[in-house]
Amino acid sequence: NAGVTQTPKFQVLKTGQSMTLQCAQDMNHEYMSWYRQDPGMGLRLIHYSVGAGITDQGEVPNGYNVSRSTTEDFPLRLLSAAPSQTSVYFCASSYGSDGRVSPLHFGNGTRLTVT
Amino acid sequence: GEDVEQSLFLSVREGDSSVINCTYTDSSSTYLYWYKQEPGAGLQLLTYIFSNMDMKQDQRLTVLLNKKDKHLSLRIADTQTGDSAIYFCAETAGGGNKLTFGTGTQLKVEL
Repeated sequence: NAGVTQTPKFQVLKTGQSMTLQCAQDMNHEYMSWYRQDPGMGLRLIHYSVGAGITDQGEVPNGYNVSRSTTEDFPLRLLSAAPSQTSVYFCASSYGSDGRVSPLHFGNGTRLTVT
Repeated sequence: GEDVEQSLFLSVREGDSSVINCTYTDSSSTYLYWYKQEPGAGLQLLTYIFSNMDMKQDQRLTVLLNKKDKHLSLRIADTQTGDSAIYFCAETAGGGNKLTFGTGTQLKVEL
C-alpha cells in the first residue's frame, strides 16, 4: 500500500516554463488537495477536489491548474513558472467528508525552484 | 477568514515536557488536529480532538482544548530527540476536509 505518491521529488525550472506535478493515491480517497509550504507561512491550500470530475480553488490558486479525471490522480500544472512559485508542494488525500473525522494523508512533497 | 497561529520555535531538554501552543479564530471549528513533519518528509497525523472535548490523552501526548479562548495545546511528555520536528496544528469546520494549518512550530530537543 503506497499511500500518496508524488513525483518528481525535486525540480528546477526557468521562469516561464511549464510543468506538471504528479500525485497519485491508492487508498480510494474521494478528497484530494494540493498545498504549498513556505517558511513562516505554514501550508496554504492551492486547489482541491471532492471527487472525480470536480475541482475547486483554495486560498492561493493563481498560476496553477488542476484536473481530476480519475479517483486516483490529481496533477497540478504550473502554466508559466514564476520565482514566487518556488516552494515545497504537498499533495494530500482523505475519505469523503460526512461530518466524521477524516484526516489528511500526505505525500512526501515536491521541492520546486524557479530561477 | 480562518486564521491559525503558532509560535515558530521551541527548544527543550531531553526528558522534559514540551508544550506547543496554537490559537485559532474560527468558532465553528469542528475538528482540531496536530501533525508532525520530519525533515524531508510530508506531514503525519499525530492526534486530533473533537470540539466538544476538553482533553485527549494518547500515550505521551496530551491535547488540551479551550474552546472559549480558541486555544489548543499539545503536550509531549518525556521528550526525546526523535521528537525533534515541525508540529502543525490545523482546524476544519463542519467535519470538512479543507484544513487550515498554522505556521508550524519547530521543536528542537537538546541533550
